[in-house]
Amino acid sequence: EAQVTQNPRYLITVTGKKLTVTCSQNMNHEYMSWYRQDPGLGLRQIYYSMNVEVTDKGDVPEGYKVSRKEKRNFPLILESPSPNQTSLYFCASSFGRVNEKLFFGSGTQLSVL
Amino acid sequence: KQEVTQIPAALSVPEGENLVLNCSFTDSAIYNLQWFRQDPGKGLTSLLLIQSSQREQTSGRLNASLDKSSGRSTLYIAASQPGDSATYLCAVNDYKLSFGAGTTVTVRA
Repeated sequence: EAQVTQNPRYLITVTGKKLTVTCSQNMNHEYMSWYRQDPGLGLRQIYYSMNVEVTDKGDVPEGYKVSRKEKRNFPLILESPSPNQTSLYFCASSFGRVNEKLFFGSGTQLSVL
Repeated sequence: KQEVTQIPAALSVPEGENLVLNCSFTDSAIYNLQWFRQDPGKGLTSLLLIQSSQREQTSGRLNASLDKSSGRSTLYIAASQPGDSATYLCAVNDYKLSFGAGTTVTVRA
């Protein structure tokens, strides 16, 4: 089944404790991206990747890191999480950045205490 | 900067009624527009993708129109069912995807 898989679904952590949210897609998509969704602010892009070893900042990249060592995987890293990073995170992928449907993972609900 | 607006924020209709969801955007220089459905606690599912050269796109009971010059798109859902209850988001792609805040739809049985 074609899908974007994120793990974990729920995560509670404390300020400053490094964490990684994994994202994997099995559709051979070149484009992958991370979003956060907050009430009243909608979906905002954190980082995106056009292909392996090619990543770029989205609208809200501060406090986040990403890497794209393999085509299928695009992990999101929070080196020192803070409470303002409490949010619902989504990974998404598509064949291209422009004229293709975007496929989303099920989301990761992160709480930073 | 592209601004995407969806009005109303919430909508409640009886089963069987047709749904009309609106999306407006400020910059008409777009590649395409997508409509998504989001169920509580779940990810987004792409419903329809309309390219900038198209006026409408259809899939089953869903029909989406695009008027680029006026910066508007409308999603029509015919003969609504309780299973259509969800939040519907539109997203405009001008090489960067900008999302609206969504319209939460409740279809009453």
